[in-house]
Amino acid sequence: EAEVAQSPRYKITEKSQAVAFWCDPISGHATLYWYRQILGQGPELLVQFQDESVVDDSQLPKDRFSAERLKGVDSTLKIQPAELGDSAMYLCASSRDRDPSYPRKLFFGSGTQLSVL
Amino acid sequence: EDQVTQSPEALRLQEGESSSLNCSYTVSGLRGLFWYRQDPGKGPEFLFTLYSAGEEKEKERLKATLTKKESFLHITAPKPEDSATYLCAVYNDYKLSFGAGTTVTVRA
Repeated sequence: EAEVAQSPRYKITEKSQAVAFWCDPISGHATLYWYRQILGQGPELLVQFQDESVVDDSQLPKDRFSAERLKGVDSTLKIQPAELGDSAMYLCASSRDRDPSYPRKLFFGSGTQLSVL
Repeated sequence: EDQVTQSPEALRLQEGESSSLNCSYTVSGLRGLFWYRQDPGKGPEFLFTLYSAGEEKEKERLKATLTKKESFLHITAPKPEDSATYLCAVYNDYKLSFGAGTTVTVRA
């Protein structure tokens, strides 16, 4: 069964350093999402791509976070500089559906657990 | 602003002791309500999608129902392997918004 791949699985960094996370969605999935999940809370959407275009980045802290999906396939989320409050699980998800009006089933990867010291 | 509230935050059950989880929502126009299961250290795994009030879906020991204001996830005769966090999410304004989840622990 196809899965969403994410790496690294764990990342420990010091504040003010740069970190990057990678995601490879299920083949053929046009829509890709990055979510952040703080311990004890539900996932919160950071950015949504349709192919290589950003559809929604309204919750992305753009002063330190950036995301790209250059060829409409895999994606990278970067934080620079990292802050203590960025410690969380970063989840990537993908969906086959293109029609935004249709409630989409999302497939999630196993996430990257970030710890900022 | 759309809100999704799940209760209780945590639920401890004895094996075989049936129970229900609640998800209440306030959205301007619900397009769909999702239930996901999340094991520790892993990403959420899809369980159900419900689209309209009165709809029900079942999978093994799980049954999800939907009204105009809330959804319930019923766990019948749970087993230890049903221990997980169950997340509810609503699809509205082209995005999926999650509740904080209910952590279920089933003791043998």
